[in-house]
Amino acid sequence: RKEVEQDPGPFNVPEGATVAFNCTYSNSASQSFFWYRQDCRKEPKLLMSVYSSGNEDGRFTAQLNRASQYISLLIRDSKLSDSATYLCVYCPHSSASKIIFGSGTRLSIRP
Amino acid sequence: DVKVTQSSRYLVKRTGEKVFLECVQDMDHENMFWYRQDPGLGLRLIYFSYDVKMKEKGDIPEGYSVSREKKERFSLILESASTNQTSMYLCASSLQGTGVLEAFFGQGTRLTVV
Repeated sequence: RKEVEQDPGPFNVPEGATVAFNCTYSNSASQSFFWYRQDCRKEPKLLMSVYSSGNEDGRFTAQLNRASQYISLLIRDSKLSDSATYLCVYCPHSSASKIIFGSGTRLSIRP
Repeated sequence: DVKVTQSSRYLVKRTGEKVFLECVQDMDHENMFWYRQDPGLGLRLIYFSYDVKMKEKGDIPEGYSVSREKKERFSLILESASTNQTSMYLCASSLQGTGVLEAFFGQGTRLTVV
């Protein structure tokens, strides 16, 4: 079983819609979680951290559910510029030197 | 701004050649990583290093080795390149510790083995 699993998509939604996707992880000792964004032919970049209490940054909300071992990303009022691949990321140890990426969920926002 | 620089954007090598991919970061980060990214498979960790001369295998180390002689430089070595090593290679670096561990990536090296 993969350490991190994501629905590859693509999610194709109209501009202004709300879209959400999840990522499940298998290592219950995982400590730190993140969402990264990768644009086409570009390197991944940190979008936001994920905390148990939830984390909101503008139109983006990230949640962590430790009991069910998944994290989620919600995008409200989606924009054309949100089209990208969203990567679920976790660090299996609290003093992490290892960073594990999911295979990504592709999101396409249409006008 | 953190900068992670990979020595080449595009590389074409022949089967059996020894290939060196170089990565340099300028933010004094302890951790450095090499990933490969393939369609449908996402980023897979090849090797990482948490200190000079220290290295650990990632998920797919076979056919690769690494070298970290200086803190700012992390090299990936393909001992004898094969066609199944054709891929996008991404180097990253990060600080150590708890909290937000943002990984900063280089722009990638697209390696083609013919």
